[in-house]
Amino acid sequence: EPEVTQTPSHQVTQMGQEVILRCVPISNHLYFYWYRQILGQKVEFLVSFYNNEISEKSEIFDDQFSVERPDGSNFTLKIRSTKLEDSAMYFCASRGVVRNTEAFFGQGTRLTVV
Amino acid sequence: AQKVTQAQTEISVVEKEDVTLDCVYETRDTTYYLFWYKQPPSGELVFLIRRNSFDEQNEISGRYSWNFQKSTSSFNFTITASQVVDSAVYFCALLGGYQKVTFGTGTKLQVIP
Repeated sequence: EPEVTQTPSHQVTQMGQEVILRCVPISNHLYFYWYRQILGQKVEFLVSFYNNEISEKSEIFDDQFSVERPDGSNFTLKIRSTKLEDSAMYFCASRGVVRNTEAFFGQGTRLTVV
Repeated sequence: AQKVTQAQTEISVVEKEDVTLDCVYETRDTTYYLFWYKQPPSGELVFLIRRNSFDEQNEISGRYSWNFQKSTSSFNFTITASQVVDSAVYFCALLGGYQKVTFGTGTKLQVIP
C-alpha cells in the first residue's frame, strides 16, 4: 500500500507563532490536499493543490494559511500566526492525475496551540 | 456537489454483539470511490476499505463486512462479534471525479465489555 507521510506527528506551538506542517505525498501523485479536524468534530476540507497552484479552497482557508510544494516532493501547510482555535489534527492527502483515482491520507499531525 | 450522511452519531453495544454503521451518499458523478476510516482515540485515520462505484460486490474481511447498494446510495459497514478494541469513531467518505474527498460526520462506536 502506498503511503503519504506527515511530519511531525505532534506539534505544540505558542499562539501567534508561525507553524509549518509537512507532508510527503506518494511520488507519482499530482493532486494534493489538506484537511483539518478539530477535536471531536468532522474532517473538513481546507485546500486542494494541482499544477503548483491552489485549485480549490474552503472558507476556513483564509489569509493565515498558505500551501507550497517547495522542492517537488514535500507539500507544506503554513499557518502564519496561530490562534488557539487552530488546534486540530491536520491530514494531508494525495491522488493520481487520472480522473477518479483514489486518494491516500497521511496519519495526521496533531497541532496544539497554547 | 457531494454529500455523505452518517445519521448515527453514537452507538453503544455490548461486546460480542453485531453492529451496523450506516452511510448514505449523494453525488452526480457516475464514477466514484467510497471509503471507511476508523479513528481511534489517538487520532490517526486508519484506512479500512475503498470501493469503486462499479464494484457492487459486498466484501468481508474478518469480522468486518461492507454492503454497497447503489440503488439506495448506501455503503453500510457491519462489525460482527464486536470487541472493545473496535471502540472508535468511524468515518464514511466519498470521492467523485476530480473533486475532493467528502467525509461524513462520523459515528462514535462504544463497545462495552
